[in-house]
Amino acid sequence: DAGVTQSPTHLIKTRGQHVTLRCSPISGHKSVSWYQQVLGQGPQFIFQYYEKEERGRGNFPDRFSARQFPNYSSELNVNALLLGDSALYLCASSFSGQGVFTDTQYFGPGTRLTVL
Amino acid sequence: EDQVTQSPEALRLQEGESSSLNCSYTVSGLRGLFWYRQDPGKGPEFLFTLYSAGEEKEKERLKATLTKKESFLHITAPKPEDSATYLCAVQTLSGNTPLVFGKGTRLSVIA
Repeated sequence: DAGVTQSPTHLIKTRGQHVTLRCSPISGHKSVSWYQQVLGQGPQFIFQYYEKEERGRGNFPDRFSARQFPNYSSELNVNALLLGDSALYLCASSFSGQGVFTDTQYFGPGTRLTVL
Repeated sequence: EDQVTQSPEALRLQEGESSSLNCSYTVSGLRGLFWYRQDPGKGPEFLFTLYSAGEEKEKERLKATLTKKESFLHITAPKPEDSATYLCAVQTLSGNTPLVFGKGTRLSVIA
């Protein structure tokens, strides 16, 4: 079975631009979470979606937004990019997310975003 | 505030030299503790989930254990292919964050 897939693999943008990152979860998984990982740090939670509804949000500015589609795939959008947004953006999928947080999260390969 | 601290930050071992990585946590209530392996530039790969103190899980040369305040990842007779960053993460009973991660331990195994 295919694992979590993310696109694109790498992305280079300039300050002030907008970016859209995409994620497809493991087949049968209904929950998608997004994390940001800067070099030398552990992943930091951005959003969780379950059945197309936002279930959790981390401490990130409103420039960050996301959505989940009927097929459970997801997009992460970042507006007005800053240099500090340069990071590896990880998507993770789990079977459920509605109050059953013991679901194991499986991560995709990530999208490396560089902001110049 | 929920916190996860991993030590050491980096560890260099000779092939065959066993050691342990530590993950200490301070949370309001633990739902589960997870270990992941991450290779450079790639996404974390799931290794183990531990739910209660005293629980142990093994996979090849790795064994994870859990107490009420910390978890250990024991590596027995490591090989160069075990070189990676090992991440510890917790899920809590409260809050809206699926996983709270530590900064990881960067393991290098030298042949």
